[in-house]
Order: sequence, then C-alpha cells, then structure tokens
Amino acid sequence: QQQVKQSPQSLIVQKGGISIINCAYENTAFDYFPWYQQFPGKGPALLIAIRPDVSEKKEGRFTISFNKSAKQFSLHIMDSQPGDSATYFCAASGGTTGANNLFFGTGTRLTVIP
Amino acid sequence: DVKVTQSSRYLVKRTGEKVFLECVQDMDHENMFWYRQDPGLGLRLIYFSYDVKMKEKGDIPEGYSVSREKKERFSLILESASTNQTSMYLCASGGVRDTQYFGPGTRLTVL
Repeated sequence: QQQVKQSPQSLIVQKGGISIINCAYENTAFDYFPWYQQFPGKGPALLIAIRPDVSEKKEGRFTISFNKSAKQFSLHIMDSQPGDSATYFCAASGGTTGANNLFFGTGTRLTVIP
Repeated sequence: DVKVTQSSRYLVKRTGEKVFLECVQDMDHENMFWYRQDPGLGLRLIYFSYDVKMKEKGDIPEGYSVSREKKERFSLILESASTNQTSMYLCASGGVRDTQYFGPGTRLTVL
C-alpha cells in the first residue's frame, strides 16, 4: 500500500515554464513533508520541506504548497531550468506509522527542454 | 561537507551468494537507513537503525539483515541473493522528521 501517491510519473517543461508535481497522503498523523531531488548517478538530496502548521514554503524558485484538509501537497518550480532536470520524490513521516519511517512517493522524472 | 559513502557503486553477484553492502557516515548521526529504489516504486525502507546494535524492520525486510557494530557504519546483508533483489540500494543517515543524507547508491545485479 503506497502511503504517499505522487503524480505525474514524468513531466516535460519548456525552459522558463512552471513545473508542478503533486502528492497525496491518507495518514492524518503525518507531520513532516519533504521533497528530495535526485540527479542521475547520485543519491537523493533534500530540496525543501514543510510542516503542516504553514500552507506554503518558498525557497528561491521552489515552493511547497500544502493543503491539510485535502491531504495534498505539491512542489512548484518557477522559471524551470535545464539544470532542474532530475527525479523528484515527495515523502511524509509522522505519527506511529511513520515514527521511524519516511514514506516516499514513486517519483517524477522532470525534463526541462532548453 | 557531510558525507555518506557506500562501498561499491556496482556489484554483480550470483544467485545464492551472500552479499554485503557497506555504508559509512561521518556526521555522527544516531539514525541510519537502508532503502531500495526500483522504477515506479520509489524508495522503500528495508531496515532502520537508531543506535549501535539496534535495528528495526522497515517495509520490506524479507531476505535482508543488517549489522551496526559501530555508530558510523551500517551494513546490509543479503544472506542468499535472489534475482528479485536486483535493484539500486541506497544508504542514508539523519532524521525521520529531519534531513536524510543519502549515499550515491549501489546498483546490485543478481544473475
């Protein structure tokens, strides 16, 4: 059973466009929602994270939007660049189920076309 | 610069062989993790260790065991490798509600 559902599986965006990746969860005890970025041949690296006490968090061109009532959160990449081409994973943890476990989505392969 | 290193980038083993994957971190983290990454399935937790000699099963522990004799080192053991264990294995250290730092991964092929 996938604790965190991620879409789309792949995404192609023109340079300068906005990339949007969506995630949904069921466990209302989750209280930590990070996004990880993975380049080919590398391990994932933390990009940005949010906790449910805020609805949005922005770091540079990357923004997480969080909708607690809908149990959804999304990553927006503004002014997408070819260097943003990577695989992105959302994740969630918290509560007793996620006490020792960070549950990852299935990943989105982003390609930004010059 | 924080670092998690894994002993091999690529590994090819035969069915039935015992396989050791080693991971070392230099950040003095209490927690260490082993994941496997498969296309379309994301990252799935195999085992988690929160202290030396302490371990907990993750989502998919079957066919795997782990060892943590020193704080900086966490090993994943495949007692008898099978073809369905062909995968990318990622080690991480850090928090569950905080940053996890990942190694570069070991791509294991079991023939």
